[in-house]
Amino acid sequence: NAGVTQTPKFRVLKTGQSMTLLCAQDMNHEYMYWYRQDPGMGLRLIHYSVGEGTTAKGEVPDGYNVSRLKKQNFLLGLESAAPSQTSVYFCASSYAGSTDTQYFGPGTRLTVL
Amino acid sequence: AQTVTQSQPEMSVQEAETVTLSCTYDTSESNYYLFWYKQPPSRQMILVIRQEAYKQQNATENRFSVNFQKAAKSFSLKISDSQLGDTAMYFCAFMKLKGAQKLVFGQGTRLTINP
Repeated sequence: NAGVTQTPKFRVLKTGQSMTLLCAQDMNHEYMYWYRQDPGMGLRLIHYSVGEGTTAKGEVPDGYNVSRLKKQNFLLGLESAAPSQTSVYFCASSYAGSTDTQYFGPGTRLTVL
Repeated sequence: AQTVTQSQPEMSVQEAETVTLSCTYDTSESNYYLFWYKQPPSRQMILVIRQEAYKQQNATENRFSVNFQKAAKSFSLKISDSQLGDTAMYFCAFMKLKGAQKLVFGQGTRLTINP
């Protein structure tokens, strides 16, 4: 049982490049989330999904797209990376209809030059 | 919209001392959950403790306890007999009961436990 995993762990991009971050969970969770963490700030929600095939915007969605084609995977895409997207990205998952804790992945450190 | 504020960017105490981290929040919801997460240098987010707003009794988990003041919208974390392994960033977070379980985080407090 790996929990929540994120791929890759580190990435450096040039401005304008695109990339996809992959989040996978093996706990059969319905809900999945993408957060970003910037220095001096807490985690902020980018997008989330309440089930396979569904996505919704969070607090800071601009410049990102997401997809949830399979229940266990939640992809975060950057179509044209900008230096302002330099951050640490965290994925999390949780059971639906429960106030149980969210389980977090280890994070991806992304630098956009 | 909900907001969470942690007014102490950094704190430092000696090992074995007791330390209290502050958190205030703003919401119009009557039912919600509050959490404290720990983030050590490994970056992993670890749940420390959670509190249901409808419960008057303060939550405790071993050396960790909270002081939940609903009317004042205050949710402080007390760490007793602090240990070197408690050194980490601590985040206070809010979750509404209704809808998707989105967490709203405070800015964090960097806690250092000195030997």
